[in-house]
Amino acid sequence: DQQVKQNSPSLSVQEGRISILNCDYTNSMFDYFLWYKKYPAEGPTFLISISSIKDKNEDGRFTVFLNKSAKHLSLHIVPSQPGDSAVYFCAASDHGSSNTGKLIFGQGTTLQVKP
Amino acid sequence: DTGVSQNPRHKITKRGQNVTFRCDPISEHNRLYWYRQTLGQGPEFLTYFQNEAQLEKSRLLSDRFSAERPKGSFSTLEIQRTEQGDSAMYLCASSYVLGANEKLFFGSGTQLSVL
Repeated sequence: DQQVKQNSPSLSVQEGRISILNCDYTNSMFDYFLWYKKYPAEGPTFLISISSIKDKNEDGRFTVFLNKSAKHLSLHIVPSQPGDSAVYFCAASDHGSSNTGKLIFGQGTTLQVKP
Repeated sequence: DTGVSQNPRHKITKRGQNVTFRCDPISEHNRLYWYRQTLGQGPEFLTYFQNEAQLEKSRLLSDRFSAERPKGSFSTLEIQRTEQGDSAMYLCASSYVLGANEKLFFGSGTQLSVL
């Protein structure tokens, strides 16, 4: 049972344009959502997060949007840069009810930003 | 302290052998997590510790797997009688719980290949 789904395995965009990565979840108990970036041969690196009490969080070029009614979140990268090329994982936790930071990850989306 | 450290980075073993991985978390972090990642998938939760107490284990963690965190600092993950299906990247993460939201910091992982 895949509780967190990233339905696009890959995405290719031109440098300077917007990258939009999508994520859907099924567990309504999830209250905290995170995006991680992963380069080859490295562990995932935290990028940005959002609590379920918000619908938007912004950090520089990265913005995460949360639509609780649709159980959907997205990551926007503007403008995209070649160094953003990596695998992006969406992750979720039910920290408020479980009191753990245990994360459930999606399958990942490979982003390629072309110069 | 530069982050979560995992050793070895790579391990090749023959089926039936035992292997042990080590994780050194960020020093002030009280929680430590083990995840497993296979090709094309996101990381899957295996187990986690709060200080030296192992508080949760996934059903993915068969009885051939054992994890310890004897003094609440470093942790080891042992796999006995390895099988080819154990081949994966084993990731360790640590966190410091402060408030409602918890952010995990990952190491670079140990890549296990079982021949």
